[in-house]
Amino acid sequence: AQRVTQPEKLLSVFKGAPVELKCNYSYSGSPELFWYVQYSRQRLQLLLRHISRESIKGFTADLNKGETSFHLKKPFAQEEDSAMYYCALRGYQKVTFGTGTKLQVIP
Amino acid sequence: DAGVTQSPTHLIKTRGQQVTLRCSPKSGHDTVSWYQQALGQGPQFIFQYYEEEERQRGNFPDRFSGHQFPNYSSELNVNALLLGDSALYLCASSPTGTSGRNEQYFGPGTRLTVT
Repeated sequence: AQRVTQPEKLLSVFKGAPVELKCNYSYSGSPELFWYVQYSRQRLQLLLRHISRESIKGFTADLNKGETSFHLKKPFAQEEDSAMYYCALRGYQKVTFGTGTKLQVIP
Repeated sequence: DAGVTQSPTHLIKTRGQQVTLRCSPKSGHDTVSWYQQALGQGPQFIFQYYEEEERQRGNFPDRFSGHQFPNYSSELNVNALLLGDSALYLCASSPTGTSGRNEQYFGPGTRLTVT
């Protein structure tokens, strides 16, 4: 079975502070990990994926197979980063989402 | 390109009734996946359609069924509705088949309320 855990329902940080959204997964094979974001009144959209090893909007995420984690990080939070963030795993050709973390950036 | 579109936007049904939700994929996409998102939860995978066949299925009962048409659009049908079926139903499309390695684009969802 595949599982994604996001332990924080809400994360509040001040503008300019570092952000780390936690994601842990359980999967027996080689997973594909993703971060999706949903801004207020917008549809769910892909933020980044681990195979691309890219930085999008200043966010990065590194797959740590030893700790089975894929935490999302940004060194300096911006107000426009406030949104709902979902970690997702693709395995056995289906995608499993975590329960999401609401990021609130305080001006 | 309007991207992934879903209809209707909102729907209210009574327990025991049947419902059909519709999805049109993004232009150029041939694979459609359906998700159920209950309040406060992440999307849960229901099933995926490619070449008009169900390719993968999540842990949902047979009351949930689907269909994909030759133009790649898709329907989700739910029979014998339960109160617990109240949720946001999301459709996502992608440009590949069973390999599924490409990005999924999500629709705005259909909000189903069962009373």
